[in-house]
Amino acid sequence: EAGVAQSPRYKIIEKRQSVAFWCNPISGHATLYWYQQILGQGPKLLIQFQNNGVVDDSQLPKDRFSAERLKGVDSTLKIQPAKLEDSAVYLCASSFRPPPGTDTQYFGPGTRLTVL
Amino acid sequence: DAKTTQPNSMESNEEEPVHLPCNHSTISGTDYIHWYRQLPSQGPEYVIHGLTSNVNNRMASLAIAEDRKSSTLILHRATLRDAAVYYCILRDPWSGTYKYIFGTGTRLKVLA
Repeated sequence: EAGVAQSPRYKIIEKRQSVAFWCNPISGHATLYWYQQILGQGPKLLIQFQNNGVVDDSQLPKDRFSAERLKGVDSTLKIQPAKLEDSAVYLCASSFRPPPGTDTQYFGPGTRLTVL
Repeated sequence: DAKTTQPNSMESNEEEPVHLPCNHSTISGTDYIHWYRQLPSQGPEYVIHGLTSNVNNRMASLAIAEDRKSSTLILHRATLRDAAVYYCILRDPWSGTYKYIFGTGTRLKVLA
């Protein structure tokens, strides 16, 4: 089966510009996650969708970050305007069922964002 | 938040067993212990998970202490391809969304 797809793989922008990332989860997976991974750290959850509804966005900087999953399938994450500290890898993951406990998350390859 | 503690780095020789420890003294009774690993320039991938009993799969074994305050991921014969950052993760018991909290993980270096 196809894995989680993300695009672009790399993006370089200047601060105060806007950027958008796209994610297509594994077919049939109801839950979709966006993570931010700063160099040298583990991934940090930004937002979790169950179908097209937001389950958790407590760590999403809502003044500049937004995300949507309109039809319960693919998703976009947007940053507007970008700051230097947004330089990171943005990972998308999906799982068949929501947690707790045993559901495996499948991760995409990530988008590496560099903000100059 | 439930937290895990792992060594920053470990080394192993190729084809030897590797024991990667994880401490989770604040684990709750219903938390599952998950292990993921992240190969260079890739997203994390699932390795194994367990609740109370030791678990085995084709990738690794998971040994869980009787009090569940620690666990050990065992790679039976390390290969160069196993060089990665290994994350021990607990479900966040205080989050109604059951989100997973990644620490900084253990960077495993495998020597040829």
